[in-house]
Amino acid sequence: EVQLLESGGGLVQPGGSLRLSCAASGFTFSTYAMNWVRQAPGKGLEWVSVISSSGVITNYADSVRGRFTISRDNSKNTLYLQMNSLRDEDTAVYYCAQDGGRGELSYWGQGTLVTVSS
Amino acid sequence: DIQMTQSPSTLSASVGDRVTITCRASQSLSSWLAWYQQKPGKAPKVLIYKASYLESGVPSRFSGSGSGTEFTLTISSLQPDDFATYYCQHYDSYSRMYTFGQGTKLEIK
Repeated sequence: EVQLLESGGGLVQPGGSLRLSCAASGFTFSTYAMNWVRQAPGKGLEWVSVISSSGVITNYADSVRGRFTISRDNSKNTLYLQMNSLRDEDTAVYYCAQDGGRGELSYWGQGTLVTVSS
Repeated sequence: DIQMTQSPSTLSASVGDRVTITCRASQSLSSWLAWYQQKPGKAPKVLIYKASYLESGVPSRFSGSGSGTEFTLTISSLQPDDFATYYCQHYDSYSRMYTFGQGTKLEIK
């Protein structure tokens, strides 16, 4: 059974930093691209970032480029999102999601809440 | 950047109704179009991929169609479990970026 378990969310002040983790199990992690998607309270889904299976290729939404860094450790089956220079508008539930290879996000974690507030 | 616009934003319907949600793109797309269902407090669940392919385990009352700039999700006979928010999503295979529609909330009439 595929499982994705996010952690690392919490309350942080504007301008602060936070690192999210996503522990994967139930599939061969090193063969799948992975993503982060977020959802602000009461709002829709916003794609944040992608990383290729090897970790060589990454991309970001314009709203986070230059502030967020996606990475992965295939030896630990773990995906990361380093978030710096956080803003109020970064407040959201952050989901990690597996790229299914058919243009869709096949499996999602349960999400971790990040709150940016003074 | 491609923009995805769903309509309607809210849809009121009854159990047994046939409903259709539309997703329009700002430019012509490949077939990399997916649909998701999300219930409050839960992660999204994929229903349809590549515009018309039903994800394994998803009831056959869900179907997807379309091409170019207009895509639709149809639920043939609404069940109580189907009241949720639905999102379309485009995948750009060159940039590996995903774009979501703003969502359609399906409510009980």
